[in-house]
Amino acid sequence: DQQVKQNSPSLSVQEGRISILNCDYTNSMFDYFLWYKKYPAEGPTFLISISSIKDKNEDGRFTVFLNKSAKHLSLHIVPSQPGDSAVYFCAASVLRNNAGNMLTFGGGTRLMVKP
Amino acid sequence: ETGVTQTPRHLVMGMTNKKSLKCEQHLGHNAMYWYKQSAKKPLELMFVYNFKEQTENNSVPSRFSPECPNSSHLFLHLHTLQPEDSALYLCASSQDRGDWWELFFGSGTQLSVL
Repeated sequence: DQQVKQNSPSLSVQEGRISILNCDYTNSMFDYFLWYKKYPAEGPTFLISISSIKDKNEDGRFTVFLNKSAKHLSLHIVPSQPGDSAVYFCAASVLRNNAGNMLTFGGGTRLMVKP
Repeated sequence: ETGVTQTPRHLVMGMTNKKSLKCEQHLGHNAMYWYKQSAKKPLELMFVYNFKEQTENNSVPSRFSPECPNSSHLFLHLHTLQPEDSALYLCASSQDRGDWWELFFGSGTQLSVL
């Protein structure tokens, strides 16, 4: 059973608008969350992360929001650019207790930003 | 050469073949990983190596055999695979401590088992 889920396989947004990508998790032990981005024919690259002690982390056009009570996180991209078109993966980990270097990934959401 | 390099990029093999996937990282990292991405499925962690020692084996069948001769190289030896093993195999590396979650991935090997 998937512990990290991205229920929208794809999302299409107009250039300049906001892109919102969603992710849900079931394991309440997760305390660190990440987003990775993947272009075709390339490996995923780290984008942004958030600790469970925070509810928001911002890096330029990218902001990640965490709602622990709902076990939900989202990635906002404002403004969206055509170069943001990629597959975005949500991932989660348990950092406390030194549980090991393990990330659990969601299935990904393909974002298409139209010029 | 920089980053994480995987070879070959594409591989087609029969179920009776033996082949190996190679990964090399030039980032000075001490942790290396094998991930599998099947069609319409999440990335699945297969193996983790820290300082050449295997620290995680995520219930992977024995027909997949990893080897980590040093911190810069990682292999995945394949034998008697099944068609359902066809997938994209991604290698990654990271620091073993601190921001270990920032994985640096290679471009992957697209494997087809006939």
